[in-house]
This record gives sequence, structure tokens and C-alpha cells, in this order.
Amino acid sequence: NAGVTQTPKFQVLKTGQSMTLQCAQDMNHNSMYWYRQDPGMGLRLIYYSASEGTTDKGEVPNGYNVSRLNKREFSLRLESAAPSQTSVYFCASSSGTGVGSPLHFGNGTRLTVT
Amino acid sequence: EDQVTQSPEALRLQEGESSSLNCSYTVSGLRGLFWYRQDPGKGPEFLFTLYSAGEEKEKERLKATLTKKESFLHITAPKPEDSATYLCAVLLTNQAGTALIFGKGTTLSVSS
Repeated sequence: NAGVTQTPKFQVLKTGQSMTLQCAQDMNHNSMYWYRQDPGMGLRLIYYSASEGTTDKGEVPNGYNVSRLNKREFSLRLESAAPSQTSVYFCASSSGTGVGSPLHFGNGTRLTVT
Repeated sequence: EDQVTQSPEALRLQEGESSSLNCSYTVSGLRGLFWYRQDPGKGPEFLFTLYSAGEEKEKERLKATLTKKESFLHITAPKPEDSATYLCAVLLTNQAGTALIFGKGTTLSVSS
């Protein structure tokens, strides 16, 4: 039972490079989320998708784009990476259509932007 | 401003030494509170949801309680495998809509 799978696990980018973080869930959940986790701060929501075909901005969306490819997959794209985007990125899913249901997290992508 | 504060930031216990972690909040429109456990290099893992003051949930050595201003995660007779970072998250509704705000976490170390 894989749950939420994120790829890659680690990535180093140079300033200005682009990349896409991939996320897939096998729990048939409606909602999917992207969070970032920085030292000394709580998890912060970047974007979420309450259902297939919809996406909405979270607390810190600037510099990111997302795509809900289908019910299983939700990708996060950095078009022009900046050092401030160095972080650990977590994808999560939940069975409900909002943030009121417990979240199931992947194991994260550790991104360093130099 | 809606805020969630966890204390202490770090806690060291001996095996079998019971203690409590605190999650206090100043929010309007509280709809629920979640506790998660996070192991190093892993994503958070859901533990409990509490919806109203007075509610309690238990799982093995952990018991979560909720009042109108704070939640406690009580750890009874902890074992080294309980070592992890514990996160609380508050679900609220404000003028901007519904939001989930995470605390910074308490890192628990249990030594044998």
C-alpha cells in the first residue's frame, strides 16, 4: 500500500532553473495539497486541489504553478527557481473536498536552490 | 491574527517518564484540531482529530485532550520509539474562508 508517492526525493537546482515535483496517491482521495516545510516554521500550504479539475492558491503560492493531471496525480512546478524556494516539499491527500479531513502525507522532496 | 503555538520546542524524557506537550491557539471560528507525528526524513503521520472542548482521544501511550484555548498531548510511560516531532494543526474559519494552520512542532526525545 504505497499511499502518497513523491518524486524526486532530493534535487539541487541553480537559480533560474525550472523543475516539476511529481505526486501520486493510490487511495482514491478527492483532495490533494502541496506544502512546504522550513526550519522554525510550521507547514505552509502552497496550492491545493479539492477535486479533479480544480486548483486554488494557498498561503504561499508565488513562484509556483500546479497541475491536477487526474484524480491520482498532482504536480508542482517551479518555473524559475530562487534560493528562497530551498525547502522540503510535501504532497498530501485527503478523502474530503476540503482541509477538514485528516491529511496523508508523502515523504517529501528536499530541494536546494543555489 | 490567528496563531498556533506549540511548547516546549524540544523535550527530553527518560523511558517511562510521563509528560505532556501543549498546543495553544488564538483563533476565531475553531472547527477542529489535528495532531500529527513526524519522524526524521518522513512526512507527518495523522494521529488524532478533536472537534470540541472536553473531547479526548487515545492511542496506545498517547492521549489528546482539547479545551477552548489549548490542546494537550499526554504521553504515558514513553518508549524510545515515541521519539519524533509532534505537530498540531488548527482548522478554522475566518473572513478569508477555511484554513488549516500548523504549529512549529515539539521534538520529543526518549532515552532508555
